Amino acid sequence: RKEVEQDPGPFNVPEGATVAFNCTYSNSASQSFFWYRQDCRKEPKLLMSVYSSGNEDGRFTAQLNRASQYISLLIRDSKLSDSATYLCVVLPPGTYKYIFGTGTRLKVLA
Amino acid sequence: DTGVSQDPRHKITKRGQNVTFRCDPISEHNRLYWYRQTLGQGPEFLTYFQNEAQLEKSRLLSDRFSAERPKGSFSTLEIQRTEQGDSAMYLCASSPGAGDEKLFFGSGTQLSVL
Repeated sequence: RKEVEQDPGPFNVPEGATVAFNCTYSNSASQSFFWYRQDCRKEPKLLMSVYSSGNEDGRFTAQLNRASQYISLLIRDSKLSDSATYLCVVLPPGTYKYIFGTGTRLKVLA
Repeated sequence: DTGVSQDPRHKITKRGQNVTFRCDPISEHNRLYWYRQTLGQGPEFLTYFQNEAQLEKSRLLSDRFSAERPKGSFSTLEIQRTEQGDSAMYLCASSPGAGDEKLFFGSGTQLSVL
């Protein structure tokens, strides 16, 4: 089993739609989780950290499910500018070796 | 711009040549990382520094790869005797540490080995 797994997509959704991505992780003791956004041929940029209680930033909501070992990202009212690859990142315990998923591609269609 | 800076942005080299990349982290960030990314994949961990100490290094890294961070400021990544399989985007990131674990990436160095 991979340490961090994501559905690569692509997810093609119309503008205004709600879309959700999941990411599973293998190390149950992991404590820190993040979502990064990466545009084509650009560097990853932090979208949001994922807290145990869940967190929301505008149209974006991130949640953590420790029992099932996954994190999720929900995007409401999708915009054309949301088209990108969304990377799930997990920091296992006892290390500073951040583990990235392969990313989920999102394409928002006009 | 006070973000992470990487140089060069692009490097084309012939197989067998040595290349060196530089990374300047956000000032006062004591943690610095090197990652490698190929098309369709997520970034893959190469190595990590806490100040000037190299604390972790990927087992995937061969002896041809070496990284330094003298004085705990900028870092260099050297690849000796490059191979075509080394072609990738090399990303540097820094993190404040001290409880703040967010990673901030530079624009990367795109390496093409011919």
